[in-house]
Amino acid sequence: KNEVEQSPQNLTAQEGEFITINCSYSVGISALHWLQQHPGGGIVSLFMLSSGKKKHGRLIATINIQEKHSSLHITASHPRDSAVYICAANTGNQFYFGTGTSLTVIP
Amino acid sequence: DTEVTQTPKHLVMGMTNKKSLKCEQHMGHRAMYWYKQKAKKPPELMFVYSYEKLSINESVPSRFSPECPNSSLLNLHLHALQPEDSALYLCASSLIPRDPRGYTFGSGTRLTVV
Repeated sequence: KNEVEQSPQNLTAQEGEFITINCSYSVGISALHWLQQHPGGGIVSLFMLSSGKKKHGRLIATINIQEKHSSLHITASHPRDSAVYICAANTGNQFYFGTGTSLTVIP
Repeated sequence: DTEVTQTPKHLVMGMTNKKSLKCEQHMGHRAMYWYKQKAKKPPELMFVYSYEKLSINESVPSRFSPECPNSSLLNLHLHALQPEDSALYLCASSLIPRDPRGYTFGSGTRLTVV
């Protein structure tokens, strides 16, 4: 069993839809990260969370430390949001990566 | 400069070739990392350099040889690779080792071994 589980693995949405990606982890963390990876390969850090909620533009990330669960929400989705979204748990010693959620937003 | 720059972006090499991947950052980060990522899989840690010294080698075969000539530069020397070594190789850096604030990733080198 992976230390970090994401769902769904694949997601297709119509432009404008509200999207939620879920992440559950089993390790103790110093921080939880949401990363975005485009087909070209490079990884961009979206959020670092240790509690509560963060918002950046149309992206919102939440974390529930007691339940060891985090969600990434995208409001008013757009085709340029199409990418793989990766949840990563930082234990202070290493990162555990989820297997990623591949999002495709159709115009 | 807030980037990690990796070159080349794409590399095709034969099993008898010797090649090197390069990673550079000028953010004053003192930890640098090599990851290997196969298609539709999460990145797997290969090596960690802390203050220019190799601190973690995740049982990587000796055909992969890392080098950190200075605090801004990280190389991965490749020799006698196998087709199964074809993958995206990602470099990352952080201000301090195991920085909980996260890492800055490069765009990767997509390696194909033929």
